[in-house]
Amino acid sequence: EIVLTQSPGTLSLSPGERVTLSCRASQSVTSNYLAWYQQKPGQAPRLLIYGASSRATGIPDRFSGSGSGTDFTLTISRLGPEDFAVYYCQQYGSSPYTFGQGTKLEI
Amino acid sequence: QIQLLQSGAEVKKPGDSVKVSCKASGYTFTSHLINWVRQAPGQGLQWMGWISAYNGNTNYAQTFHDRVTMTTDTSTSTAYMELRSLRSDDTAVYYCARSVYYMGADYWGQGTLVTVSS
Repeated sequence: EIVLTQSPGTLSLSPGERVTLSCRASQSVTSNYLAWYQQKPGQAPRLLIYGASSRATGIPDRFSGSGSGTDFTLTISRLGPEDFAVYYCQQYGSSPYTFGQGTKLEI
Repeated sequence: QIQLLQSGAEVKKPGDSVKVSCKASGYTFTSHLINWVRQAPGQGLQWMGWISAYNGNTNYAQTFHDRVTMTTDTSTSTAYMELRSLRSDDTAVYYCARSVYYMGADYWGQGTLVTVSS
């Protein structure tokens, strides 16, 4: 089973700032099948990025993903008030499709 | 528009079974996988497995392999997840979500809270 470790656990930031979230895998992610999700309280997760770097439909271009192998990042170029949420990475290249433990962005 | 509509909240006793439904609309049901993901209160996301709506093939996480059954009814575009021998630590919100092999889960149901308590 691939273990995904996200860092940091919590980030305190201000609107307008740039942020980079990290997701490290315990072994190489097959075909870089790595996704990022945003989840707000009481809501289902929302897909942001798939295949490590492809934005999902309707996702603003301030969200970008990069990385390959075992190291991946999600960058938000300018934080909007609506971006304060929990972010999860997930690998779906090999079963079981594991999630990271999440990074919380707070104001 | 694409929607996944899940069944309502359930309260079960330890040892019971629960069956959650997920009705899809707005797309060709058989062209996607249906994943099941759960989230315990205040915790992260846990993938349980997927079922192919095309041919019924399943891929379960080993953690749940002996307690979970995922099925589909293509006549009603509905997926089901049954979890047996419930324990208190199965208390969680259960989500269905559609995906294809090269993408993550792009549409999610609203979630179904399953509470297991004596």
